[in-house]
Amino acid sequence: AQTVTQSQPEMSVQEAETVTLSCTYDTSENNYYLFWYKQPPSRQMILVIRQEAYKQQNATENRFSVNFQKAAKSFSLKISDSQLGDTAMYFCALDMRFGAGTRLTVKP
Amino acid sequence: DTGVSQDPRHKITKRGQNVTFRCDPISEHNRLYWYRQTLGQGPEFLTYFQNEAQLEKSRLLSDRFSAERPKGSFSTLEIQRTEQGDSAMYLCASSLASGGREYGYTFGSGTRLTVV
Repeated sequence: AQTVTQSQPEMSVQEAETVTLSCTYDTSENNYYLFWYKQPPSRQMILVIRQEAYKQQNATENRFSVNFQKAAKSFSLKISDSQLGDTAMYFCALDMRFGAGTRLTVKP
Repeated sequence: DTGVSQDPRHKITKRGQNVTFRCDPISEHNRLYWYRQTLGQGPEFLTYFQNEAQLEKSRLLSDRFSAERPKGSFSTLEIQRTEQGDSAMYLCASSLASGGREYGYTFGSGTRLTVV
């Protein structure tokens, strides 16, 4: 069975600073996809970044980057230069399975 | 294409009634997913379709839940004999999976179900 664990229910960061959200997972598959999704308050979920397991290079999308450690089954999200609009729930997903989420608050 | 559409946005129903939700995915997407989300929790997988075939259904899903995707286009999720525990946001998502690659989901705004 595939599982996704996000051990940080809530985090906060000052505007313009950097924050890292943690995610660990378990799977018996060798090839799979990992995602981070963002769900702003009362708004729909959107895809932030995607990582293919067979690629060693970490994915990057503007201010968002991941640290993918396949052997450790770890997939963390780094947000650089945090903005107020980054305030949201962030969900880590392994293929179709989602974690419980981390609530991120960016403080002015 | 305006994204993934879900209808209705809100549904209030009495316990024991049947409800049906509709999802219109992005037209180029071949996969469609249904999730249930309660407040402060992550989306819980219910089922998914590739084209018109229902390929996986959660073991957590009781026989009261059924989903269809006729002709591989829109999908419906029906809940029979609703219970108060069914109250949740029901999310639909679609994606393009091609050549063994998955490009990530586009979510709809969800249908909020309240069972009274």
